[in-house]
Amino acid sequence: DIVMTQSPDSLAVSLGERATINCKSSQSVLYSSKNKNYLAWYQQKPGQPPRLLIYLASSRESGVPDRFSGSGSGTDFTLTINSLQAEDVAIYYCQQYYSTPASFGQGTKLEIK
Amino acid sequence: QVQLVQSGPEMKKPGSSVKVSCKASGDSFNSHAIHWVRQAPGQGLEWMGGMLPLSGTADFAQKFQGRVTMTTDESTTTVFMYLSSLKSEDTAIYYCARDRYSERSGVSVFNYWGQGTLVTVSS
Repeated sequence: DIVMTQSPDSLAVSLGERATINCKSSQSVLYSSKNKNYLAWYQQKPGQPPRLLIYLASSRESGVPDRFSGSGSGTDFTLTINSLQAEDVAIYYCQQYYSTPASFGQGTKLEIK
Repeated sequence: QVQLVQSGPEMKKPGSSVKVSCKASGDSFNSHAIHWVRQAPGQGLEWMGGMLPLSGTADFAQKFQGRVTMTTDESTTTVFMYLSSLKSEDTAIYYCARDRYSERSGVSVFNYWGQGTLVTVSS
């Protein structure tokens, strides 16, 4: 099974600043023949289900503000939130869908400093 | 607009079974797999498995093999998840979630989620 590890576990960033969350997989999630990374990012606010932000490591889901961006390849990935807004306070999860079972990182809690 | 509406909270005894439903609306029911992801209180997300209604093909995490079953009812566009031999560790919010891609089975990425169903297992 692929283990996903996020860092840091929690993060406090000032409004308007940049937040960076990292995700590392225990093996590559790059589908070589398609040159695509099967890695997604979700946002979860209290009492709500997760919301898909990014898929294929860097493709933004429809309706997601462009201050959210994803990057990385192979085993190392990053979610960047530019110009942090108050409504971005949430827990963020990465997920690999390269192989069964799908697996999630442990989550990173983002707060306002 | 796609919506997934789940059944209400459940209280169960250890050793019993639970059935959680997920009614889909707003798009072609058969062509997108429905998956189940659970979240224990204060914990992270855990994928359980998924089923493509079009083919009946299902894929489960080995951890749940033999304890989980998924069925569909096309007439009501509803997917059901059954979990048996419940233990206290199964206490969690259970989410159904739809595959972003159509006509695909196996693990994937999920762009529509139900509101969640709290299952509490306690004697």
